Amino acid sequence: GAGVSQSPSNKVTEKGKDVELRCDPISGHTALYWYRQSLGQGLEFLIYFQGNSAPDKSGLPSDRFSAERTGGSVSTLTIQRTQQEDSAVYLCASSWLGGLYEQYFGPGTRLTVT
Amino acid sequence: DAKTTQPTSMDCAEGRAANLPCNHSTISGNEYVYWYRQIHSQGPQYIIHGLKNNETNEMASLIITEDRKSSTLILPHATLRDTAVYYCIVMETSGSRLTFGEGTQLTVNP
Repeated sequence: GAGVSQSPSNKVTEKGKDVELRCDPISGHTALYWYRQSLGQGLEFLIYFQGNSAPDKSGLPSDRFSAERTGGSVSTLTIQRTQQEDSAVYLCASSWLGGLYEQYFGPGTRLTVT
Repeated sequence: DAKTTQPTSMDCAEGRAANLPCNHSTISGNEYVYWYRQIHSQGPQYIIHGLKNNETNEMASLIITEDRKSSTLILPHATLRDTAVYYCIVMETSGSRLTFGEGTQLTVNP
């Protein structure tokens, strides 16, 4: 079946602009996660959704970062006033019920802030 | 979540078994051991997980020591496609996020 998809696959933006990254989870998966991977920081957790609620958003690095999930499906990660340090690969994952269930990752969105 | 320690890199000959160790000496009773891998330029991929019993699936086997302070991921017949960074992660039963460390870069050589 279809896996987790993310769009765009690549995004180049100028410093100060806002960007939106989209994640389509596997159908039926109630849990959705955002992570990012940068050269200096490795793979780090950003936010976790259960349904449309975000019980854990402790990984968001600043108030420039926000995310929402609608209809228990698609999620959008928004970065306002982008900075060069935001350059990274943003990965989305979903799992059936969260918790101990394995997470299935998408291919990621490579964000470059110039 | 408990911290894990893995070797930075390992090599393995194609067709041979790859044994990847992980130390998690501070693991608590309600924490599971998970293994994921990340092939270059792809998202991480789930491999296997376990609590205290050894586990096997179509991809790998997981051996957890009796005291649960360490584990070994075994790829029985490594192929070139198994070249990846392998992450050992400990997560409690009520947890959700995966906390990735540095992982082990496994290189399978022809």
